[in-house]
Amino acid sequence: RKEVEQDPGPFNVPEGATVAFNCTYSNSASQSFFWYRQDCRKEPKLLMSVYSSGNEDGRFTAQLNRASQYISLLIRDSKLSDSATYLCVVTGNYGGSQGNLIFGKGTKLSVKP
Amino acid sequence: DTGVSQDPRHKITKRGQNVTFRCDPISEHNRLYWYRQTLGQGPEFLTYFQNEAQLEKSRLLSDRFSAERPKGSFSTLEIQRTEQGDSAMYLCASSSMTVNTEAFFGQGTRLTVV
Repeated sequence: RKEVEQDPGPFNVPEGATVAFNCTYSNSASQSFFWYRQDCRKEPKLLMSVYSSGNEDGRFTAQLNRASQYISLLIRDSKLSDSATYLCVVTGNYGGSQGNLIFGKGTKLSVKP
Repeated sequence: DTGVSQDPRHKITKRGQNVTFRCDPISEHNRLYWYRQTLGQGPEFLTYFQNEAQLEKSRLLSDRFSAERPKGSFSTLEIQRTEQGDSAMYLCASSSMTVNTEAFFGQGTRLTVV
C-alpha cells in the first residue's frame, strides 16, 4: 500500500461546480496533514493545513478522519483559477516529532467555462 | 528575495557525469528537504535535514545520490554517474520545526540527462 493515495483524476468540472478530493494514508503515527496546490510547471504551494476538527478557508473545506486515515478537500463554487493539481501531504513521524513530508501523486483539476 | 532559491534552474548533462545542485533555504528555517518530481507524479521524498544533521534518507535513493548541509544553512545535492532515469525536477523546500508548519518550495532544478 502506498503511503499516501489520492483519487487518480483528472477532474473536469464546469465553473460553479462543487468538487471533492479524497486521500488516504497508511501511517497511523502521522502528525500533520496538508493540501498543497501545484500549478503547471511551478513549485507546490500550501493551500491549507488539515486539522482534526475540520477547517474551512473561504470556498475550501478540509476534513481529517484519523480513525479511517482519510483526508478530504471540498471546493465549492469552483473558479477557472482553481485549475491545478492538488497534492495531499502527510508528515512522517521521526522520534515523536514531525518528520518528512510525504506527497500523494496529486489529482488534477480542470475547471471549464 | 527571501524565499527558497535553487541553482541552477536548468541543467543538461551527459550520462555518466556528476552534477551538483544548490539550495538556499529561508534563513530562519531549521529544516531543509529534497524531493524529485517527474511528470504526472507527486514530489518523491529524497532526504531531509534538521540544521546540519541529515535525519532521513529515502530507502529508494541510490548510493549515487548524496546531500550535505555543512553549516545548517545552504544544502547541496550531488548525483554521481548520472543516468537517463535521473532526469527530473529536483525540488528543495524548507520549514521551521513547528508542528503543522508550512514548507516553502524553491522553483526547482530541472535536470536532463542525455
